[in-house]
Amino acid sequence: DAGVIQSPRHEVTEMGQEVTLRCKLISGHNSLFWYRQTMMRGLELLIYFNNNVPIDDSGMPEDRFSAKMPNASFSTLKIQPSEPRDSAVYFCASSVDRGPLGGYTFGSGTRLTVV
Amino acid sequence: QKEVEQDPGPLSVPEGAIVSLNCTYSNSAFQYFMWYRQYSRKGPELLMYTYSSGNKEDGRFTAQVDKSSKYISLFIRDSQPSDSATYLCAMAPGAGGTSYGKLTFGQGTILTVHP
Repeated sequence: DAGVIQSPRHEVTEMGQEVTLRCKLISGHNSLFWYRQTMMRGLELLIYFNNNVPIDDSGMPEDRFSAKMPNASFSTLKIQPSEPRDSAVYFCASSVDRGPLGGYTFGSGTRLTVV
Repeated sequence: QKEVEQDPGPLSVPEGAIVSLNCTYSNSAFQYFMWYRQYSRKGPELLMYTYSSGNKEDGRFTAQVDKSSKYISLFIRDSQPSDSATYLCAMAPGAGGTSYGKLTFGQGTILTVHP
């Protein structure tokens, strides 16, 4: 089991550019969560999917952020255009079902820096 | 006011000490309570979970939940340098509704155990 795989591990981009973060779920998991972590705000849920359907996107900060789950094993988080305040570590996590005790498995994160 | 409050520390203790980590919360709907451990430049990993009030012990770790006070704790006995990490509390509401499965994290407490 390779775990949750995120790419890229690091991304440095200029303000205004489009950024796409990628996440591959663990085989057999059907829930997918995108989180953002900063020193100031901690770990914040952006959006989560269950069986490829977005369930709650209330944490998405603004229209510049969008997330898709084109199939059961893969998801993308896109920021367009990017701004310096988007700099953070972005994590995705997957679980067997929506239940919190199913145990979320987190990826190692993508460290995004927007200059 | 944040739904979950956690003192970010940092907390520094000598090897062998008993460590106490705590979180308070304001949302009465929270039914599931978890502790995650996050090593530097890694994603959080589930350490322990409890449902409703009470204690749960796993080796050197004990989790306590007091729903009447909206207060949860994690105790680490005989702390080791390998316990040095950030510890995050997390909570989720009970089954039913779109919020089921949605974890809300505390800020995280940075713990260093020195030899």
